[in-house]
Amino acid sequence: QSALTQPASVSGSPGQSITISCTGTSSDIGSYKYVSWYQQHPGKAPKVMIYDVSNRPSGVPDRFSGSKSGNTASLTISGLQAEDEADYYCSSYTSSRIYVFGSGTKVTVL
Amino acid sequence: QVQLQQSGPGLVKPSQTLSLTCAISGDSVSSNSAAWNWIRQSPSRGLEWLGRTYYRSKWYNEYAISVESRITINPETSKNQFSLQVNSVTPEDTAVYYCAREKGGFDYWGQGTLVTVSS
Repeated sequence: QSALTQPASVSGSPGQSITISCTGTSSDIGSYKYVSWYQQHPGKAPKVMIYDVSNRPSGVPDRFSGSKSGNTASLTISGLQAEDEADYYCSSYTSSRIYVFGSGTKVTVL
Repeated sequence: QVQLQQSGPGLVKPSQTLSLTCAISGDSVSSNSAAWNWIRQSPSRGLEWLGRTYYRSKWYNEYAISVESRITINPETSKNQFSLQVNSVTPEDTAVYYCAREKGGFDYWGQGTLVTVSS
């Protein structure tokens, strides 16, 4: 099972909006609602920001939103803030009854 | 508040067995609504899901294809924890290993254990 494809890096200025894409196949993202997004700061464990495509856990700012179209999922950060600078990973359940992660995207706040 | 506390050695010799434990507080390994996962992370392989165990009237285990011939994840109900064993390790198994609860994504994570495979 191949990793999901994400851009290596995305950047934006404070207050701007950015979108991170996550491309899979009809065997993972295209077939399941179990797509989630994780934020990871250096030396820390990942933190779930979005689960089941577009649900936000309690405590996650509403600046973070998720969506899916076909085999591609997206994470949008609106009103970018300095503390959003981190690595972001997507994940999806698959038809092989396993999970796969994306390759990761480094978000830089300019 | 759910907490996951990992324990186990940080150094394992090649061909030996890697063993880690994840102690759960604030939830139950026998929960009918959660699953208990092991995930690892290395610079070369990124985040890699290894497998999970969960209870839905009976116990289920699912493993990543890449490691399924070498891996065992076991629930330990009397201690409310679950464990990971990876047999016949090589330097490619060097990584930070995490345990994680799955209940709305992977919503709680252990602190991570750096496991180095070296003689």
